[in-house]
Amino acid sequence: DIVMTQTPLSSPVTLGQPASISCRSSQSLVHSDGNTYLSWLQQRPGQPPRLLIYKISQRFSGVPDRFSGSGAGTDFTLKISRVEAEDVGVYYCMQATQFPLTFGGGTKVEIK
Amino acid sequence: EVQLVESGGGLVQPGRSLRLSCTASGFTFGDYPLSWFRQAPGKGLEWVVFIRSKVDGGTTEYAASVKGRFTISRDDSKSIAYLQMNSLKTEDTAVYYCTKWGGSFSDYWGQGALVTVSS
Repeated sequence: DIVMTQTPLSSPVTLGQPASISCRSSQSLVHSDGNTYLSWLQQRPGQPPRLLIYKISQRFSGVPDRFSGSGAGTDFTLKISRVEAEDVGVYYCMQATQFPLTFGGGTKVEIK
Repeated sequence: EVQLVESGGGLVQPGRSLRLSCTASGFTFGDYPLSWFRQAPGKGLEWVVFIRSKVDGGTTEYAASVKGRFTISRDDSKSIAYLQMNSLKTEDTAVYYCTKWGGSFSDYWGQGALVTVSS
């Protein structure tokens, strides 16, 4: 199974400041078709998860452009350029390159 | 608007069975794979099961933790997916989410159904 490791566990951020979350996979996420199936999800308190980013850097419909994804191979990053109050929650990376689908442990973004 | 609504959750004793339903609307249900995930109280997300569209064979994938106990099926005529859960264990206690698969990711999630396995 591919192990996904996220850091940090928690990220206290001042409103308007940037935040960055790292996700590392135990093996390359490059699929045999050439694509890398790494996505990022946001889970606000009391809510179901919501897709933010897919295939490393593609923003899903309706996702603000302050969210961006980058990376390649085994190292990936989610960045929030200017944190807003509505961004509070837990962020997960997920790989869909191979079954079983696996998640990082989550990073809690909170306001300082 | 894409909507996924889970139902059928509740309290069940260990060893018993439960069936969750996922009723979908807002898209052509039969054209898309579906996946179930779960989240134990206060924990992270865990993938449970995946079913392809009939066009792609309708085949399934299961997490090792549920293989042989859980069965996913779909009724495309009703836009409903089912998760039959047998031989339930206390560690199956979680909120179960039904999701539409958008190609390489779950693009839409339901609100979830709570399953509590306890004596």
